[in-house]
Order: sequence, then C-alpha cells, then structure tokens
Amino acid sequence: AQTVTQSQPEMSVQEAETVTLSCTYDTSENNYYLFWYKQPPSRQMILVIRQEAYKQQNATENRFSVNFQKAAKSFSLKISDSQLGDTAMYFCAFREGSNYKLTFGKGTLLTVNP
Amino acid sequence: GAVVSQHPSRVICKSGTSVKIECRSLDFQATTMFWYRQFPKQSLMLMATSNEGSKATYEQGVEKDKFLINHASLTLSTLTVTSAHPEDSSFYICSASETSGWNSNEQFFGPGTRLTVL
Repeated sequence: AQTVTQSQPEMSVQEAETVTLSCTYDTSENNYYLFWYKQPPSRQMILVIRQEAYKQQNATENRFSVNFQKAAKSFSLKISDSQLGDTAMYFCAFREGSNYKLTFGKGTLLTVNP
Repeated sequence: GAVVSQHPSRVICKSGTSVKIECRSLDFQATTMFWYRQFPKQSLMLMATSNEGSKATYEQGVEKDKFLINHASLTLSTLTVTSAHPEDSSFYICSASETSGWNSNEQFFGPGTRLTVL
C-alpha cells in the first residue's frame, strides 16, 4: 500500500517570503501522479499543482513549484512571494496511474504572517 | 474548471435518524465519485469509491450497511448515513473524476457537508 508522509504539522512564513513544504511517499509503482492540495478555512479542497511521475521536469504554477525527486521519493512544494491568502492546510497526495484513488498525507498547516 | 456541488452544506439531526448527502458534478460527467470523511485538524480519509451503475467499493473498516452509497447517474452520487450516532458527526467531502479529457486524472472536490448528530 502507498503511504504519504508530511513531516511538518505546522509552518509559518512572513508575507513575501518563500517557504517549502516537504512530502515523501512510498510506492512500488512506476506510473503515478503526485498532487498538492490546499484547504483554506472554508474547507474547500483546491488543487495547487500536480506532477506526473514520468515527467522529469518539475511542475510550476505561478508562485508554486515542486521539487520532484523520483529516486528519493520526495515531492516538496515551494511557495514564493507568500501571500496572506496562502494561509491554509496543505495536503500532499499520491495516485496510482491506473487508479483514481488518492492517498493523502496528514497535512501541513501553513500560516502566512503579515 | 469543473464544479462539484454538495447538498446540504450542513445538517443537524437526532441520534437514530438517517441523513442523505448529495454530490453532483455540474458541468461534466463523472464515472467515478469518491466519499471522504475528515475529522477536525486531520486529513481526508477515503470511505468508498462510487462507480456509476455498480456497487460502491468500501475501504477497510467502513461499514457499508451504515454508509449507503448510490451512484445512479453520471452526475449524482448520494451518501446516506443510516441510524446516525454522535460518533458519526464529521465533515464529509465528495470528489468526482471526469470520464475522459485532459482532466481525467484529476479529482474535483465538493465543498463538503458538516454533519452533527445530537
């Protein structure tokens, strides 16, 4: 069974600074997808960024980028120029290539301070 | 982007009653829908996978007779909590995957339903 580990229960960052959230996973699969989801206080799950395992290039979405290290099974999220609206729970998630089911990490509560 | 709705957004019921939660994909067809449960300050726990026209697949430890799931169409899945008890109080979230297209590997989440059982 796949497992996803987020070792940082809470983090904080100053507005406009950069922060990196860590995520590691364990799988024997070769074809899979990785995701970062954001859950703000409204509790609506929002997809931040995704990475296909077969792609070597790290995914980027505006201020959000990932550092995908397949051999190390690591998938960290970097948030640049942090904004107050980035305050939320961030969940790392894993999905097998042939299965829609998502496995979530326990989450990291990120607080952006003014 | 694809939109998933849930109804109701919050519900309070008495112990022993049944509660139905609806999950709808508004602008796409979803062969597969998922139901999650989330306790305060915790992660999402997958309860079951719902496939249109067939029986749901429940995760280990989830009582299928207590959490009835019906996926009658490509846009609607329902979760019924039968004989609810206070320990069933939680935040229930559904998600849906498109059947095809470039978004087919992405799940779209509903806004969630907060259930409180008195």
